[in-house]
Amino acid sequence: DTGVSQDPRHKITKRGQNVTFRCDPISEHNRLYWYRQTLGQGPEFLTYFQNEAQLEKSRLLSDRFSAERPKGSFSTLEIQRTEQGDSAMYLCASSLGGGRDYGYTFGSGTRLTVV
Amino acid sequence: KNQVEQSPQSLIILEGKNCTLQCNYTVSPFSNLRWYKQDTGRGPVSLTIMTFSENTKSNGRYTATLDADTKQSSLHITASQLSDSASYICVVSPNNAGNNRKLIWGLGTSLAVNP
Repeated sequence: DTGVSQDPRHKITKRGQNVTFRCDPISEHNRLYWYRQTLGQGPEFLTYFQNEAQLEKSRLLSDRFSAERPKGSFSTLEIQRTEQGDSAMYLCASSLGGGRDYGYTFGSGTRLTVV
Repeated sequence: KNQVEQSPQSLIILEGKNCTLQCNYTVSPFSNLRWYKQDTGRGPVSLTIMTFSENTKSNGRYTATLDADTKQSSLHITASQLSDSASYICVVSPNNAGNNRKLIWGLGTSLAVNP
């Protein structure tokens, strides 16, 4: 296992189009997180899963955003009707649950540019 | 208000020199403090994680210290290398619930190591 993988690394899309990102966590990690990071800022929490259950969504996650983790392994983050304000780095992270979050590992992110 | 402040905002040093980055936090209750290295366009990579009971932790040329009484932490980089050029981010976890959604991120110190 080489860590958390995200695909694609870069995505350029026209405003109004839908985009989907994928995250493959470390295999034994049961928690998976999505963050958004804009230039010069720290990552902002979007949502997290424990296994296949989505346990919390940030208020930042508007109705245009949806995330899934159907089998408790990989996760997808979809943005519908993209807006220029959605341009950011979307980071995925995974960890062990149960208070053992020291194995908290980020992927390299997907850079989204909405033109 | 839970905050994490880092200094300096940016730093330029010559290759081979040492440097120390500072982190002050007002997060309470406090669970653990993490230092991450983030290269431009990449996800954060964990350097050290310390609980309130730990005073120092090393990871190769990186040594982090923590004073939970004064709510201060430092990251010391020894014998800097060009590849150390990155943003170094201090992150505090305000709870012990094992859930990373409430991490408080500093804005980072941008380090440039010049030959």
